[in-house]
Amino acid sequence: SQQGEEDPQALSIQEGENATMNCSYKTSINNLQWYRQNSGRGLVHLILIRSNEREKHSGRLRVTLDTSKKSSSLLITASRAADTASYFCATDVRGSGNTGKLIFGQGTTLQVKP
Amino acid sequence: NAGVMQNPRHLVRRRGQEARLRCSPMKGHSHVYWYRQLPEEGLKFMVYLQKENIIDESGMPKERFSAEFPKEGPSILRIQQVVRGDSAAYFCASSPLDSQAFFGQGTRLTVV
Repeated sequence: SQQGEEDPQALSIQEGENATMNCSYKTSINNLQWYRQNSGRGLVHLILIRSNEREKHSGRLRVTLDTSKKSSSLLITASRAADTASYFCATDVRGSGNTGKLIFGQGTTLQVKP
Repeated sequence: NAGVMQNPRHLVRRRGQEARLRCSPMKGHSHVYWYRQLPEEGLKFMVYLQKENIIDESGMPKERFSAEFPKEGPSILRIQQVVRGDSAAYFCASSPLDSQAFFGQGTRLTVV
């Protein structure tokens, strides 16, 4: 079964609006990470939030983590056309510390219209 | 410090041929991971290797797929007798011990 599930699957907004994507997972985690992938390109690491953290900010990004609900959200504020991409959450469920074995969600495709 | 380097970026193979995908980890990284991404899907873990050792291959198909990370040189993901269903993007990630992994740009395999 899929560890990470994201919603919505697709999101279309106007430039300047905020975009919120959600991710749910099933098992206990060490950390949860968000990645961006432009069409046909590689993954760009956006932010990592550890299981003992509840909120983290990086520029226009805000990530929350609720381990009791096994869910996370990614908020992009003041969106730009360049934010158009697919966004994936990924959970690290292995051992202690941070490792590279990640379980990815199906992704949310974000389109920001100029 | 160059990032994770994968080559080739694009690979076309006929059904039945072999595909070899290479991954050079970042300098100082001793852990390598391979993931596969089918069209319109997220990445799926395949295998985790350290130098000369396969640590976790729980995501590898039972047949035709193999991976290695020799003492010298890049990690290799090898797919024998490719079929159309093997067409996907294959990503490699590397990390030092117990730290965030960094992803390469991927190899896009097309089986014709």
